[in-house]
Amino acid sequence: DAKTTQPPSMDCAEGRAANLPCNHSTISGNEYVYWYRQIHSQGPQYIIHGLKNNETNEMASLIITEDRKSSTLILPHATLRDTAVYYCIVRVGGYSGGSNYKLTFGKGTLLTVNP
Amino acid sequence: DVKVTQSSRYLVKRTGEKVFLECVQDMDHENMFWYRQDPGLGLRLIYFSYDVKMKEKGDIPEGYSVSREKKERFSLILESASTNQTSMYLCASSIPGHTYGYTFGSGTRLTVV
Repeated sequence: DAKTTQPPSMDCAEGRAANLPCNHSTISGNEYVYWYRQIHSQGPQYIIHGLKNNETNEMASLIITEDRKSSTLILPHATLRDTAVYYCIVRVGGYSGGSNYKLTFGKGTLLTVNP
Repeated sequence: DVKVTQSSRYLVKRTGEKVFLECVQDMDHENMFWYRQDPGLGLRLIYFSYDVKMKEKGDIPEGYSVSREKKERFSLILESASTNQTSMYLCASSIPGHTYGYTFGSGTRLTVV
């Protein structure tokens, strides 16, 4: 799986958009970009994923650059409850069994939303 | 609401004890996973299972074994607990393929004394 690079920490004001960057310059054509977050003392929570196109759901938007070497997770109106560690993960997609199932978590970005 | 339930939130065991960590999911997921999480090391995969009675080693399987006799249940076994196995243990499940994310349990914080 491609390695990802994220800033260790970021701050955001409550109510403002939080833009979390991720670099994955060695991503392969069949690798998807996943975002998870982990609120303190809880298990990680799936947020969103994408391959090429930008994606949006009720939690966030995912913007993937045209060359797919980087992406940005956008929380449009951050709240205090969005304070968490955010993980960007790239992984082979599809149903091919074996180690393709596993997710490899890096250190992530600690997002602190301030009042 | 779909769930992955881990049997204990906190557990304290003695060195040398055999420890069972249980995980149950109600989503009929084929895949189940055990991770441990330690400060500065992040989440590391111990074992995973992609079907009943099937298992594969993750990145750090030493000192652990697993059991999956039923689709909904995945057990992590510490054969002889040691202090370096003090950690947060997280169970997750998913269905095959890229479309769906993993669902994690709340974790079991195990302390081995």
